[in-house]
Amino acid sequence: NAGVTQTPKFQVLKTGQSMTLQCAQDMNHEYMSWYRQDPGMGLRLIHYSVGAGITDQGEVPNGYNVSRSTTEDFPLRLLSAAPSQTSVYFCASSYSIGAQPQHFGDGTRLSIL
Amino acid sequence: LAKTTQPISMDSYEGQEVNITCSHNNIATNDYITWYQQFPSQGPRFIIQGYKTKVTNEVASLFIPADRKSSTLSLPRVSLSDTAVYYCLVGDIRSGGGADGLTFGKGTHLIIQP
Repeated sequence: NAGVTQTPKFQVLKTGQSMTLQCAQDMNHEYMSWYRQDPGMGLRLIHYSVGAGITDQGEVPNGYNVSRSTTEDFPLRLLSAAPSQTSVYFCASSYSIGAQPQHFGDGTRLSIL
Repeated sequence: LAKTTQPISMDSYEGQEVNITCSHNNIATNDYITWYQQFPSQGPRFIIQGYKTKVTNEVASLFIPADRKSSTLSLPRVSLSDTAVYYCLVGDIRSGGGADGLTFGKGTHLIIQP
């Protein structure tokens, strides 16, 4: 099992560019979520999904879109990158009771210039 | 909004037992309690999860009193490598809790000294 795989690990964008952060899990987990973590801060929930075809907003959804066409994949799209979106992004998955994250990816470090 | 409150930081020494308490006064009937460990530049790592009383695994114990309004993560005989940020998470998005069940608090920065 690879667990939760995030790509890319690092990315630098210019303001206004768009991109997609990829997240894939091979554990057949129903629940997936995206977080961002700024320096010295805790994790803030961006979007989450309780199954294929179902997504919902978290605490800080503005500027981000998600889709869940398959159980395995949960990409996060930045529509028009802004410097305020410079952060480390983590994807997580879970199958369990409470649906709280059990596995996190290694993160994508994103810088917006 | 996060449903939990933890101390911002704690210090201890190698070989000691460390207890980190999390308050969750508004815990709902179906909510579970989960603890995570995070090292710098890494994603959080699941440590332990429980619903009531006591849960133990190879790395930690989780104590939950009968009223479930708090929980305590116990780390036996800590070492320098246990220096990390520890988060507790409370909720269950399947029971209508929505994003609250996935919203982390600020965590506890545990520093272990020699």
